[in-house]
Amino acid sequence: DTGVSQDPRHKITKRGQNVTFRCDPISEHNRLYWYRQTLGQGPEFLTYFQNEAQLEKSRLLSDRFSAERPKGSFSTLEIQRTEQGDSAMYLCASRPGTGTYEQYFGPGTRLTVT
Amino acid sequence: AQSVTQLDSHVSVSEGTPVLLRCNYSSSYSPSLFWYVQHPNKGLQLLLKYTSAATLVKGINGFEAEFKKSETSFHLTKPSAHMSDAAEYFCVVSGPGAGSYQLTFGKGTKLSVIP
Repeated sequence: DTGVSQDPRHKITKRGQNVTFRCDPISEHNRLYWYRQTLGQGPEFLTYFQNEAQLEKSRLLSDRFSAERPKGSFSTLEIQRTEQGDSAMYLCASRPGTGTYEQYFGPGTRLTVT
Repeated sequence: AQSVTQLDSHVSVSEGTPVLLRCNYSSSYSPSLFWYVQHPNKGLQLLLKYTSAATLVKGINGFEAEFKKSETSFHLTKPSAHMSDAAEYFCVVSGPGAGSYQLTFGKGTKLSVIP
């Protein structure tokens, strides 16, 4: 049983560079979520997909953040013109379309902006 | 709107003694509530969930939580702590806000277990 996978696990980038993270959800899950977790805090919701449709994106942190899920399977999260404040763990989660509402999380991508 | 307050940022217990991690929630809806655990350098793992069935919920590794609507609480307990329980624990609420059933996390409680 394959869980949620994320790539890369770690990313170090210089301020001003663009970065892209990938998430592969559990195969039968049509709902996909992105969260950000900073040190000492719980994860905070960023955006949500149902299949390929991005149904909630008002919580993306700025217009430098964007996400896609073009074929309703994997998703990407892009941060343009990174800033030091973007340093955090970026988590992806998925869940099936019916049933209970628990989400299954990937291991995360840790971003460090220098 | 929904929110979660974890009342202790850090709890320290001796191995073999009971564990109590406290959580209060606020929700405009009948909520689903969860506890997740995060071990160092590991992903978030679901411990247990409440979804309006039994108010006493049993989870993995001997953990339990009781949903008390009158107190808006969902405290996590375990009768006897084990060294492997040392981790960060998050109380989480989910509801139909914005239709996305996004999870709203508390700030976490770090559990330390003393040998």
